[in-house]
Amino acid sequence: EPEVTQTPSHQVTQMGQEVILRCVPISNHLYFYWYRQILGQKVEFLVSFYNNEISEKSEIFDDQFSVERPDGSNFTLKIRSTKLEDSAMYFCASGRGYEQYFGPGTRLTVT
Amino acid sequence: EDKVVQSPLSLVVHEGDTVTLNCSYEVTNFRSLLWYKQEKKAPTFLFMLTSSGIEKKSGRLSSILDKKELFSILNITATQTGDSAIYLCAVDLNSGAGSYQLTFGKGTKLSVIP
Repeated sequence: EPEVTQTPSHQVTQMGQEVILRCVPISNHLYFYWYRQILGQKVEFLVSFYNNEISEKSEIFDDQFSVERPDGSNFTLKIRSTKLEDSAMYFCASGRGYEQYFGPGTRLTVT
Repeated sequence: EDKVVQSPLSLVVHEGDTVTLNCSYEVTNFRSLLWYKQEKKAPTFLFMLTSSGIEKKSGRLSSILDKKELFSILNITATQTGDSAIYLCAVDLNSGAGSYQLTFGKGTKLSVIP
């Protein structure tokens, strides 16, 4: 059964560094998403991507964040200058409609 | 501000028990409500509900939506230790932008003990 994959599973970075989190969505899906979950808190929507552009973004998704689908298969989330409060589990999801399939997540630790 | 509230936040039951998990919501532009099961990492899809009063069933799990009272319940009968997980309720908002944006509740942590 096809699934969403994410790499790396865990990323440790220093404050101020740039990180790129990678996702490979399910191949025939049209909608792509990033969510984050700070430890002990709820899953929060960051951004949705459809038809090669951002369709929606939350207040969390400020100028430090960007997304790309560079080659038709990967979907990346870049954080330009990480802050301590960016430490969280980042989930990628994809879907053809209402049903979203989540990847296993990347745990980002900013020190 | 859109809100999704789940209760209880945690629950411990014995194998064989039946549990009911609650989700209430206050959102603008409601489109659908979804239930997910989160075990170790990724939430996995359980149900999507759009219409009031129509029960969705999958094995021992079932769910129903009440759009008038703005809540949903997830029932699990004859619980097993493998049902131990965090159950997430999420509301899909129709923002008109053509995509689907989920607002999650904090989840209910279910622990099933033998």
